[in-house]
Amino acid sequence: AQSVTQLGSHVSVSEGALVLLRCNYSSSVPPYLFWYVQYPNQGLQLLLKYTSAATLVKGINGFEAEFKKSETSFHLTKPSAHMSDAAEYFCAVSDRAGTASKLTFGTGTRLQVTL
Amino acid sequence: NAGVTQTPKFQVLKTGQSMTLQCAQDMNHEYMSWYRQDPGMGLRLIHYSVGAGITDQGEVPNGYNVSRSTTEDFPLRLLSAAPSQTSVYFCASSLSGPAPYGYTFGSGTRLTVV
Repeated sequence: AQSVTQLGSHVSVSEGALVLLRCNYSSSVPPYLFWYVQYPNQGLQLLLKYTSAATLVKGINGFEAEFKKSETSFHLTKPSAHMSDAAEYFCAVSDRAGTASKLTFGTGTRLQVTL
Repeated sequence: NAGVTQTPKFQVLKTGQSMTLQCAQDMNHEYMSWYRQDPGMGLRLIHYSVGAGITDQGEVPNGYNVSRSTTEDFPLRLLSAAPSQTSVYFCASSLSGPAPYGYTFGSGTRLTVV
C-alpha cells in the first residue's frame, strides 16, 4: 500500500524567504514521487517528479525536491519565495509505472506569501 | 491549445437529478481519469481508463458511471445526484499512466447539489 503525508496544511513565509513544504511517503517498493501546484480556481499543474534517476530534482518556477530514501521524504524547497508562489501544493506517490500506476495524493499544503 | 478541456465549469443540481460532466483531450493520451477534490481530503480517484473501451473503478466510484468510446473523450455521469457529491471534479490524462509521465489536468467542474 502507498500513502503520502504532508505536514502542515498551511505554511506562511515572507517574500524572499526559504520555502519548505514537507512530504513523507510510504511505499513497499521504490516509489515514483510528484509535486503538483494548484493556483486558485485552476487545475493542478506538474511541478516536478522523481523517477529513480537523480535524487535532487529540479522543477519549474525555481522549485526543487530531494528524494531521501532513509527518511522516506520528498520535501519541496525554493530558496526565495515570490508572491506568485502563493498556491496549494500537493505531493503524490505511485508504487507502479505505466497503466498499472495510480497516484495517491496528499491532503495538500496551502502556501501563503506575505510582504 | 493542446490540453484537457472540461465542461461545464460550474453546475448546480437538485437532489436526484442526473448529469454528465464532459472531458476531452487532444494529446492522444491513452490514460484518463476522474478525481474529486474536497477540502482537507486531497484528490480521490473516482474512475479511470487505460484506453478506449477499457474503464475501471477507483477509490470512490459509487454514484458515478464512465465510458470511453474514443481516445479523446471520457465523460463522467452522475446517476442520481446527492448532496455528498458536491465537490470539484477534475479530469486528468497521461500518455500511458500517471507514473512516470505525470498528469495533465483540466481546469475543473465545480458541482453543487442542493
